Amino acid sequence: EVELVESGGGWVQPGRSLRLSCVASGFTFDDYAMHWVRQAPGKGLEWVSSIRWDGGDIGYADSVRGRFTLSRDNGKNSLSLQMNSLRAEDSALYYCAKGRSSGTYYGMDVWGQGTTVTVSS
Amino acid sequence: QAVVTQESSLTVSPGGTITLTCGSSTGAVTTGHYPFWFQQKPGQVPKILIYDTTNKQSWTPARFSGSLLGGKAALTLSGAQPEDEADYFCLLSYGGSVVFGTGTKVTVL
Repeated sequence: EVELVESGGGWVQPGRSLRLSCVASGFTFDDYAMHWVRQAPGKGLEWVSSIRWDGGDIGYADSVRGRFTLSRDNGKNSLSLQMNSLRAEDSALYYCAKGRSSGTYYGMDVWGQGTTVTVSS
Repeated sequence: QAVVTQESSLTVSPGGTITLTCGSSTGAVTTGHYPFWFQQKPGQVPKILIYDTTNKQSWTPARFSGSLLGGKAALTLSGAQPEDEADYFCLLSYGGSVVFGTGTKVTVL
């Protein structure tokens, strides 16, 4: 069974940093792109970042580019999102999602349960 | 990045049919945008229904179908059930990004 488990969320003050992690199991991790998607309370889904199966192509939403860095470790079946210079508007439930293919900019088919990030003073 | 627009809310009677649409600010939606559709019920994780415009996942009920309609991606629900009440999001792929639609809240009433 495909499983994605996120961790690293929490409360942080504006301007500080947080690192989210996602550990995958149940599929051949390095065959697929991986994604982060966030959802603020009561709001819609927002794409955050995606990484190709080999880490050779990474994309970011305009709202996070330059502040967030996505990486993957195929040897450990893991995905990491380094979030710097956090803002109140980054507060959301962050989902790790498995791509439906190896390509970077293609949809996702399995989602984790999410980890909550709260940015507040 | 592009803006992807959906109806904010729709209501359907049990057994009825509705069509949700997904439009792009950059122009007509094509198969090259690889439209996906997700269903999200309150407190739950989004669940994929449709990928690549028309293709269903193994768990997608037959009453859901995807298409292109009038320059937009479309999700049609034929024979709505009470359990179909949920939020529905589309996703479109662009050259260097993917963008979610604004979401449609479907009420079965």
